[in-house]
Amino acid sequence: GQNIDQPTEMTATEGAIVQINCTYQTSGFNGLFWYQQHAGEAPTFLSYNVLDGLEEKGRFSSFLSRSKGYSYLLLKELQMKDSASYLCALPQDDYKLSFGAGTTVTVRA
Amino acid sequence: DVKVTQSSRYLVKRTGEKVFLECVQDMDHENMFWYRQDPGLGLRLIYFSYDVKMKEKGDIPEGYSVSREKKERFSLILESASTNQTSMYLCACDGTGEETQYFGPGTRLLVL
Repeated sequence: GQNIDQPTEMTATEGAIVQINCTYQTSGFNGLFWYQQHAGEAPTFLSYNVLDGLEEKGRFSSFLSRSKGYSYLLLKELQMKDSASYLCALPQDDYKLSFGAGTTVTVRA
Repeated sequence: DVKVTQSSRYLVKRTGEKVFLECVQDMDHENMFWYRQDPGLGLRLIYFSYDVKMKEKGDIPEGYSVSREKKERFSLILESASTNQTSMYLCACDGTGEETQYFGPGTRLLVL
């Protein structure tokens, strides 16, 4: 089984930086996903990390430390449209994903 | 782009009714999934299917069944809807070599 923990809510100001942490315990590691989900919409893929280190994609970056069971999603130059839930997920096996409960980020002007 | 569609965005049913939620994907993906999403609990896997006519229980299959008669279509069935099945239901799919699962828009089901 897997335990995945992430904060419930975060609030930040437009233009700022926010870091969303995800800690996990798993018996076998096959990578870690981050998804973005706007209210009432489907989750959409943001990133997939399988090796340690930081991967940058424009304003969003994702970091992984397998030895620490830890990842974070970094959102830079926050925009109002970044207000959403951010989901951390780990593959359980060849087919299934286990999701954290999600972190709701609110961006204020 | 992968397209995953679900039959309804919003659905209101009465306790005891039989409910069908349909999901269709257009990318010939082998694997299809049904999740429910509730506040504070995240996405929880109900059932999944890795091939036509194949199905596997997820983490919370009780009260649900599924059907996969064609590769592109995966149906979730609530045999006798109950109020605790009020939730957002999300369908997803992925295929061999795909990096991620692709999600449908979701069906918000209210059981009265």
